[in-house]
Amino acid sequence: DAKTTQPPSMDCAEGRAANLPCNHSTISGNEYVYWYRQIHSQGPQYIIHGLKNNETNEMASLIITEDRKSSTLILPHATLRDTAVYYCIVRAPGRGYQKVTFGIGTKLQVIP
Amino acid sequence: GAGVSQSPRYKVAKRGQDVALRCDPISGHVSLFWYQQALGQGPEFLTYFQNEAQLDKSGLPSDRFFAERPEGSVSTLKIQRTQQEDSAVYLCASSLGPRGESNQPQHFGDGTRLSIL
Repeated sequence: DAKTTQPPSMDCAEGRAANLPCNHSTISGNEYVYWYRQIHSQGPQYIIHGLKNNETNEMASLIITEDRKSSTLILPHATLRDTAVYYCIVRAPGRGYQKVTFGIGTKLQVIP
Repeated sequence: GAGVSQSPRYKVAKRGQDVALRCDPISGHVSLFWYQQALGQGPEFLTYFQNEAQLDKSGLPSDRFFAERPEGSVSTLKIQRTQQEDSAVYLCASSLGPRGESNQPQHFGDGTRLSIL
């Protein structure tokens, strides 16, 4: 699976959009981009994933660049409950299961 | 509940004792994973089950770690002769199934925080 690079920490004002970047310059054509987040003392929570098209769900939007070498997770209106560590993961389907490799992630602090 | 359930939530043991951690996956989920998360780090893969079959145990740090899922549902992670470096949060995750669904997300429990004194 391709390696990802994320900033270690970010701040965002409550009510503003939080834009979390992820670089994955070695991504292969069949690898998906996944985002999880982990709120303190909880297990990771799946947010969204995509291959090459932009994706949106009730939690967030995922913007993937045309060359697929980077992506941005957007939380449109950040709340204090969005304070968490956000993990960007790249992996390919196949071999029947997902052996997910987490990095350090980005610690997002939403400020009142 | 509808989510992955892990018990106990916290476990304190003396060095050298054996411990057993339980995971109840989401009903019907074929795939089950165990992860170890040290303080300040991301989760690290330990092992994977497809139904009752343990298909990958490459992440288990030593032969003191043993996992089972005998009926393809509940899973237990056992650590024998615990050591202080085993102190961590142990996370369990499940996903629906492997066939044609290998891009499906994993659903995590809130983990068991293990402290070895």
